[in-house]
Amino acid sequence: GQQVMQIPQYQHVQEGEDFTTYCNSSTTLSNIQWYKQRPGGHPVFLIQLVKSGEVKKQKRLTFQFGEAKKNSSLHITATQTTDVGTYFCAGIPGGSNYKLTFGKGTLLTVNP
Amino acid sequence: EAEVAQSPRYKITEKSQAVAFWCDPISGHATLYWYRQILGQGPELLVQFQDESVVDDSQLPKDRFSAERLKGVDSTLKIQPAELGDSAMYLCASSRQGDGFYEQYFGPGTRLTVT
Repeated sequence: GQQVMQIPQYQHVQEGEDFTTYCNSSTTLSNIQWYKQRPGGHPVFLIQLVKSGEVKKQKRLTFQFGEAKKNSSLHITATQTTDVGTYFCAGIPGGSNYKLTFGKGTLLTVNP
Repeated sequence: EAEVAQSPRYKITEKSQAVAFWCDPISGHATLYWYRQILGQGPELLVQFQDESVVDDSQLPKDRFSAERLKGVDSTLKIQPAELGDSAMYLCASSRQGDGFYEQYFGPGTRLTVT
């Protein structure tokens, strides 16, 4: 079936280092949403990208949507311990009935 | 800030027993979702309601799972009988509309352990 793949599954960084997670689909995505889930918490919406090649920034977070709308990335500059959590991408694969499909997420841990 | 409410937060049950989870979405949100999240995985949609109608239950194991949203507000998800493999976090979420372009607000979840 249609899937939204995320890599890496885990990433451990030293505080202050940068972090990037990638989201890929075999089909064109109508949109990409990014969520963050803190340990023991629930997913919280971060942002949505809709346009081809779109780039959005939230403080130290930069989100990109690929030109072909098949991939996306989330980049965190100078990680902090508050960035710890699992980052999920979710998108509507082409041809689906508007069902938002979540990736498996990337777990980020930050060593202070 | 309005939040999605869920209860109970934790549930331990023996296999073959029945369990029920409750969700109260953010007021005014027409769309309600039930997700199952296994540790280390992303949320998997079980059922999606638009008001009181089911619009997607393709991944709901209908032989043992049922869901209702009778008045188009709060919702109940039931499992009968529970199996060991049902142990997971059950998340409820709501959004203004259900076309996939609206952000979803998640509740705190119910962690189910089946023994």
